[in-house]
Amino acid sequence: AQSVTQPDIHITVSEGASLELRCNYSYGATPYLFWYVQSPGQGLQLLLKYFSGDTLVQGIKGFEAEFKRSQSSFNLRKPSVHWSDAAEYFCAVANQAGTALIFGKGTTLSVSS
Amino acid sequence: GAVVSQHPSWVICKSGTSVKIECRSLDFQATTMFWYRQFPKQSLMLMATSNEGSKATYEQGVEKDKFLINHASLTLSTLTVTSAHPEDSSFYICSAREQNTEAFFGQGTRLTVV
Repeated sequence: AQSVTQPDIHITVSEGASLELRCNYSYGATPYLFWYVQSPGQGLQLLLKYFSGDTLVQGIKGFEAEFKRSQSSFNLRKPSVHWSDAAEYFCAVANQAGTALIFGKGTTLSVSS
Repeated sequence: GAVVSQHPSWVICKSGTSVKIECRSLDFQATTMFWYRQFPKQSLMLMATSNEGSKATYEQGVEKDKFLINHASLTLSTLTVTSAHPEDSSFYICSAREQNTEAFFGQGTRLTVV
């Protein structure tokens, strides 16, 4: 069965510092991978996705993620965090582009000044 | 881009009543829609998958008689929470897709049962 692990429940980063949020997945074949961001009380916003091709994926708001098959990881990165990036981040996996997503438990990002 | 709209954004209902949540695809035909549930500070859990014109497929542990899902058209699916109780209070999110494309999420509905 597919599963997604986000090892970090809560991360605090200083504004302007770099960020890396970890995501590990369990799936036999090449998965479809997603990162979403959710502000309090809001819906999900897609940051980026990986289906195939270049393993370094660029997303919105300056985020990027790298698919590493050997490590079953899809970590999210941003070189310089802004206070507005404080939110909940979810990694998700699917076995095809249009199937239901399996979500990780999420990582709460706090940004300190 | 593809837009999925949920209505209402938030709803408060009395215990024992039923509440309907709508999920609409505004600029595409949604052959499949998914309904998720998110408890406070937790992740999203898939409740059911519905294909237009067919009965919904519910995930294990989800009561189909309590959470009625209808997907009668290619642009609308509804989730009705019947005889709602405080433990049903949650954030409900739908997503929708065309054939063989990725799914897009609605903005979610906050349900509070008092």
